[in-house]
Amino acid sequence: AQSVTQLDSQVPVFEEAPVELRCNYSSSVSVYLFWYVQYPNQGLQLLLKYLSGSTLVKGINGFEAEFNKSQTSFHLRKPSVHISDTAEYFCAVIINTGGFKTIFGAGTRLFVKA
Amino acid sequence: SAVISQKPSRDICQRGTSLTIQCQVDSQVTMMFWYRQQPGQSLTLIATANQGSEATYESGFVIDKFPISRPNLTFSTLTVSNMSPEDSSIYLCSVEQGADTQYFGPGTRLTVL
Repeated sequence: AQSVTQLDSQVPVFEEAPVELRCNYSSSVSVYLFWYVQYPNQGLQLLLKYLSGSTLVKGINGFEAEFNKSQTSFHLRKPSVHISDTAEYFCAVIINTGGFKTIFGAGTRLFVKA
Repeated sequence: SAVISQKPSRDICQRGTSLTIQCQVDSQVTMMFWYRQQPGQSLTLIATANQGSEATYESGFVIDKFPISRPNLTFSTLTVSNMSPEDSSIYLCSVEQGADTQYFGPGTRLTVL
């Protein structure tokens, strides 16, 4: 079965510090990988995605993620966070089950402190 | 890109009643999805709705509890029937454009008393 594991439920960090949000997936087939952000009381917004090609993917708001096939990981990073980055971050994988379906991780709450 | 709107944005309902949530997309899409996000949790897929066919439900979700309509390529509804407090969640509509792009609506925040 396909699954997505986000290793940290909460990540507190000080403003301007770097951050890494971890995500591991399990899949026996090729997958598409995504990171979404959900700001308080808002819907989901796509941060970035990996489909193929370069393993380092750059997204919006200064975020980037690296696909590591051998470690089945897709960790999200930002070199310097802002207060406004405080949100819930979801790692997700799209699998093809005769139609495409998105499986979400449990989410990581990033809390940026001044 | 696709712009998705949902109505209502939030509601407070009494136990035993039903609520129908509407999802409108600004472009024609083949596949629409309904998700549930329970408090403090991730998104769980309820069902996939294709126009012209019955919705496909995920394990743990049944049509009697969550009937879905998909009358055309830009609209869908999800009804939460015979509600209980355990149904208090955010319900999100989503559409797929291509195999690698998915857009989400703003969600409907449901509280059942």
